[in-house]
Amino acid sequence: DGGITQSPKYLFRKEGQNVTLSCEQNLNHDAMYWYRQDPGQGLRLIYYSQIVNDFQKGDIAEGYSVSREKKESFPLTVTSAQKNPTAFYLCASSISRATDTQYFGPGTRLTVL
Amino acid sequence: EDQVTQSPEALRLQEGESSSLNCSYTVSGLRGLFWYRQDPGKGPEFLFTLYSAGEEKEKERLKATLTKKESFLHITAPKPEDSATYLCAVQAVIQGAQKLVFGQGTRLTINP
Repeated sequence: DGGITQSPKYLFRKEGQNVTLSCEQNLNHDAMYWYRQDPGQGLRLIYYSQIVNDFQKGDIAEGYSVSREKKESFPLTVTSAQKNPTAFYLCASSISRATDTQYFGPGTRLTVL
Repeated sequence: EDQVTQSPEALRLQEGESSSLNCSYTVSGLRGLFWYRQDPGKGPEFLFTLYSAGEEKEKERLKATLTKKESFLHITAPKPEDSATYLCAVQAVIQGAQKLVFGQGTRLTINP
């Protein structure tokens, strides 16, 4: 089955720790995205990548980092510099960065202890 | 400022009671409007894309329409399984870059 997978589903982080969220897609999509979702707010873009080895900051990139070494994979690292990391993180992909529909993964809920 | 506003924030209906959800936007350079359904604790599921005013799309009990300033998601004779949060997003060119701007969602509850 084609789709987007995210792991883990739940993640707990201690203060001062870096954690990495996994996102994999087998849709052969060029573009991939990371969003953050907080209660009562719209999804906010953290980072996006249009092609392998290239990525751009979104609206709230501070405290996050990404890599895009393979077309299928776009991991997100939440660093200790992110002051309020507790949120629901969503990965998405689309055929290209243009007007194509974005398809979402199941999400990772990150909680800071 | 480019914005997407959804109303109401929450809507509670009886099974079979039809209604509409609203998504109004103030972005320039609209390239497309998207509707998603999101169940609690899950990722958004794509429903529709609309590109131009006057366009309509249907899927089962849902119909999406688009004008120059807003979109409606009409729900006809809803069932309890239609309960979810419905998200609207607008693809626009903002400061020279393609961007998808999301509304905050409408939480729909259908009571049996």
